[in-house]
Amino acid sequence: ETGVTQTPRHLVMGMTNKKSLKCEQHLGHNAMYWYKQSAKKPLELMFVYNFKEQTENNSVPSRFSPECPNSSHLFLHLHTLQPEDSALYLCASSASRGLTMGKLFFGSGTQLSVL
Amino acid sequence: QKEVEQDPGPLSVPEGAIVSLNCTYSNSAFQYFMWYRQYSRKGPELLMYTYSSGNKEDGRFTAQVDKSSKYISLFIRDSQPSDSATYLCASYQKVTFGTGTKLQVIP
Repeated sequence: ETGVTQTPRHLVMGMTNKKSLKCEQHLGHNAMYWYKQSAKKPLELMFVYNFKEQTENNSVPSRFSPECPNSSHLFLHLHTLQPEDSALYLCASSASRGLTMGKLFFGSGTQLSVL
Repeated sequence: QKEVEQDPGPLSVPEGAIVSLNCTYSNSAFQYFMWYRQYSRKGPELLMYTYSSGNKEDGRFTAQVDKSSKYISLFIRDSQPSDSATYLCASYQKVTFGTGTKLQVIP
C-alpha cells in the first residue's frame, strides 16, 4: 500500500467519548501534520511533527492530543469534544519540515461528527 | 487579515471554457505558492507549485504569480467535467491555505 492512509473514514462520537484517529504514511517522509477542515473555512493546521518531535501546535485545545510514535504513524486522540469540533480531519506528510515542506501528501481524511 | 484569501465560489463553467482561479496573499515574505485540487470526500492533492513571479505551465494548467500585486492565479484551458473539484491555493513557507474555490464544469 502506498500514500497516506487514515482510519476510520467516518466517526460519530458523543461528547463524553474517547476515540483516536490513525494515520499511516508509506512514503518514507519525516514530517507529519494534522489539519482540520470545516465547511467554508480554510484548512487549519493543528499539529506538526518532524522526525517524531512535535514542532508546531497552533493553539489547539487540549481535548485534542497528538501522538507520533515513529515517522510513519500519527495519532490524534480525542476526548470530551464539542459539537463545533465536527469536521474533516486530514493527515498529511512531507519529506521534512524544510525547503520541501510545502509538498504535502494528504490522506482522505476522517469525517468526524460530535453529537 | 488572512494570509491567503480566495473566493469560495462556487464557479460553474461549460465544458471547454477557460477557467481562472485567483488568490491574494498578504505576507510579502511568501515566495513559493502551490495549488492543490480536492475532490469530494478526498484529501487535497498537489497540482502545481511555483516560485516568485511569472508563469509555470503543466499541460492544461498554468500557474501565475504577480508579486507586485500579491496575486496568484491558476488557469485551466479546455476545462473538463473531471476538473470539477475544489481548488486551494497555499503559500509554501507556512503551508497556509485559502478557503478553496469550488469549480463545476458542466458537460
